[in-house]
Amino acid sequence: GAVVSQHPSWVICKSGTSVKIECRSLDFQATTMFWYRQFPKQSLMLMATSNEGSKATYEQGVEKDKFLINHASLTLSTLTVTSAHPEDSSFYICSAIVGGDNNEKLFFGSGTQLSVL
Amino acid sequence: LAKTTQPISMDSYEGQEVNITCSHNNIATNDYITWYQQFPSQGPRFIIQGYKTKVTNEVASLFIPADRKSSTLSLPRVSLSDTAVYYCLVGDMRTGRRALTFGSGTRLQVQP
Repeated sequence: GAVVSQHPSWVICKSGTSVKIECRSLDFQATTMFWYRQFPKQSLMLMATSNEGSKATYEQGVEKDKFLINHASLTLSTLTVTSAHPEDSSFYICSAIVGGDNNEKLFFGSGTQLSVL
Repeated sequence: LAKTTQPISMDSYEGQEVNITCSHNNIATNDYITWYQQFPSQGPRFIIQGYKTKVTNEVASLFIPADRKSSTLSLPRVSLSDTAVYYCLVGDMRTGRRALTFGSGTRLQVQP
């Protein structure tokens, strides 16, 4: 079945540094991928829609300059948390839509736990 | 946006059948209903999807009444490993972001 691979699984960084998270579609092409953020004991919150070859679409309240998204190929989207601060510590999850003809489903990566010291 | 409402939490025992209901009064004609399971520190996992009536796969059944304003995820004979958070999503993924919007989910706790 369709697989969405996310890397790294966890990362610890110092405040002020930037962190890049990769999301790959392993056996299908994804023109669109989605990035979510999840705080402990809370639901997933959609951050942005990553579009291959064009600019990402950000949800209201999500800073574009803070969370840089690049979708340079049909199988790879990256999320870079720039100048990370402790409040950016969270679980980040990517996803992609698989299937067509009224059979679309969201498949998710395994997530990245970011801890900013 | 199509708003979904689920119980915040449920408790069950191993071997029992668990039914989790999701209300979605604003469901649109082209919307599908999809359920996901999430374990701690993992991405959500697809369980089942349906449009109307009943859908069954190897892990669950999905019951959708004629008016489609609610749906029920049925997990037969749960085990401890079914302890997780379950989310229902409603929408048409081809056209709108509401299919990407997660509600609060239902935290299922299965006890021995």
